[in-house]
Amino acid sequence: EAGVVQSPRYKIIEKKQPVAFWCNPISGHNTLYWYLQNLGQGPELLIRYENEEAVDDSQLPKDRFSAERLKGVDSTLKIQPAELGDSAVYLCASSARSGATEAFFGQGTRLTVV
Amino acid sequence: GDSVTQMEGPVTLSEEAFLTINCTYTATGYPSLFWYVQYPGEGLQLLLKATKADDKGSNKGFEATYRKETTSFHLEKGSVQVSDSAVYFCALSASNQGGKLIFGQGTELSVKP
Repeated sequence: EAGVVQSPRYKIIEKKQPVAFWCNPISGHNTLYWYLQNLGQGPELLIRYENEEAVDDSQLPKDRFSAERLKGVDSTLKIQPAELGDSAVYLCASSARSGATEAFFGQGTRLTVV
Repeated sequence: GDSVTQMEGPVTLSEEAFLTINCTYTATGYPSLFWYVQYPGEGLQLLLKATKADDKGSNKGFEATYRKETTSFHLEKGSVQVSDSAVYFCALSASNQGGKLIFGQGTELSVKP
């Protein structure tokens, strides 16, 4: 069974440009998470979806970040415009249901803003 | 709010040495506790977990015991291998947070032959 798939693995963009990350969760997993991992730090939750509904987006900087999960499967996280401080690894994870005791992570997208 | 604190790295050990990585947490209620591992170039993988006090999680020779009285979940392994070199993250998930994980800052382990 395929795990959580993210693309691209690496992205380099100039500041003020837009960027988008894509995530395909494990088949059948209703809950999807986006985490931000700064260098040398643990991941921090940006947004959590239950099916197609964003149920926790309190940590998402809504002035420049947006996310969607159409049809409750794949998800896209967008930044527009990107800033130098957005350079980090963006991780997607999924779990079978809300509150399940195991979340499965993708390999992440490493973003560098220059 | 809820938080996780783990010992700073990097930790450098010789092969077959004993490993301890300390982790303490602050949370209301009774969270579930986890250790995740991140090998170079790979994503986070669940190493072990414990969902209630006094539970012991174990996997691949690693183990950790959920100690409510000391709010700790220290990771141990009796004999480390070079292949254990990775970054280890302690995390908690509160019972009313829909699976949201709160991570410590990570501890890098380097095992030398």
